[in-house]
Amino acid sequence: DAGVIQSPRHEVTEMGQEVTLRCKPISGHNSLFWYRQTMMRGLELLIYFNNNVPIDDSGMPEDRFSAKMPNASFSTLKIQPSEPRDSAVYFCASSPSDYNEQFFGPGTRLTVL
Amino acid sequence: AQSVTQLGSHVSVSEGALVLLRCNYSSSVPPYLFWYVQYPNQGLQLLLKYTSAATLVKGINGFEAEFKKSETSFHLTKPSAHMSDAAEYFCAVSDRTGTASKLTFGTGTRLQVTL
Repeated sequence: DAGVIQSPRHEVTEMGQEVTLRCKPISGHNSLFWYRQTMMRGLELLIYFNNNVPIDDSGMPEDRFSAKMPNASFSTLKIQPSEPRDSAVYFCASSPSDYNEQFFGPGTRLTVL
Repeated sequence: AQSVTQLGSHVSVSEGALVLLRCNYSSSVPPYLFWYVQYPNQGLQLLLKYTSAATLVKGINGFEAEFKKSETSFHLTKPSAHMSDAAEYFCAVSDRTGTASKLTFGTGTRLQVTL
């Protein structure tokens, strides 16, 4: 059974470029979460969806960040324009039901030069 | 609002020694609690969870944790450390007041296992 799938696994881009990170949650899970992890700030929740609807985006750092979930099997996190301080590992996670554990993907390591 | 405090950002133990990673929580409702492990260059993996059933919870890889309401603690233990246990460990509490299973994570404890 496939877990949470993220692509790409690594992304290197230049400042000012648009970056799109992709996530496929586990089939049947109704919640999806985007996290960012850095040495300085640890693990931060950016946004989460329940039944494809954004519930809380208060963790999105600024307007350069946007996330969508057009259907139950796909979500994107977009950064436009990207900046060096956006360099981090971005994780997607999904959960099968309310108050249950989250299943994490392998992450996307983003480097903005 | 829920919160989690992990005491000790780094813990070092000898191989074969007891592992004890501390986690204290704050929650306005009976909490659900989780321990996750993160190996280098990987995502977080669930070790165990407490969801108001038995207070002593057994997880994978020989780890267990005990929910103590009076102490608001959920410490993670393993009787005998193995080199493969070296990783970062995160405690998390579930926000059961929301509409989805939002978790609040601690800052993590890096476990080092020495020979």
